[in-house]
Amino acid sequence: EPEVTQTPSHQVTQMGQEVILRCVPISNHLYFYWYRQILGQKVEFLVSFYNNEISEKSEIFDDQFSVERPDGSNFTLKIRSTKLEDSAMYFCASSVVAGVRANYGYTFGSGTRLTVV
Amino acid sequence: TQLLEQSPQFLSIQEGENLTVYCNSSSVFSSLQWYRQEPGEGPVLLVTVVTGGEVKKLKRLTFQFGDARKDSSLHITAAQPGDTGLYLCAGGPHAGNMLTFGGGTRLMVKP
Repeated sequence: EPEVTQTPSHQVTQMGQEVILRCVPISNHLYFYWYRQILGQKVEFLVSFYNNEISEKSEIFDDQFSVERPDGSNFTLKIRSTKLEDSAMYFCASSVVAGVRANYGYTFGSGTRLTVV
Repeated sequence: TQLLEQSPQFLSIQEGENLTVYCNSSSVFSSLQWYRQEPGEGPVLLVTVVTGGEVKKLKRLTFQFGDARKDSSLHITAAQPGDTGLYLCAGGPHAGNMLTFGGGTRLMVKP
């Protein structure tokens, strides 16, 4: 079963530091996403990415966030200057087609738990 | 802003019982997905429903999309301890890629 792989599984960083979260989507998937889940809260959409550019982003995804596909396999989320409120579980996901279609779904990775201290 | 509300938030039942989890919104969604999430893991897709009134079955799980595409339900027959977990509904938009998630229903099935 193909998987979305995320590294690291857990990262602790000091407030104000830059972090890069890494994801390897499923190889034949074309659409990539980042979601986050603050402890005890709902899973929230951050950004979607297709054809080397952002296709949609939420209000959460401000100038402190950026995404990149630096090579043919990795998809990264960078937070430039972390804040305490950025502490959350960050999930990468990928899909074959855009949006939600019958018989096609998103595959989520296991997440990176980011703790900002 | 589209919102999805799930109920109940918590459910603890005995093995063999039936249960229904609800996912409701005042907004229309183009589609709805149900996921199951284990602690420390990402959501795992169970089913996608796209047509109003659609019913899909996955072994002992039955998923229904409301006629007006504003609500959905997940019914589990003869629950087993292996069904224990967090069940999430997520709505798909008419345009774009963003999924809107509900708050989840945490199910515990006791042997």
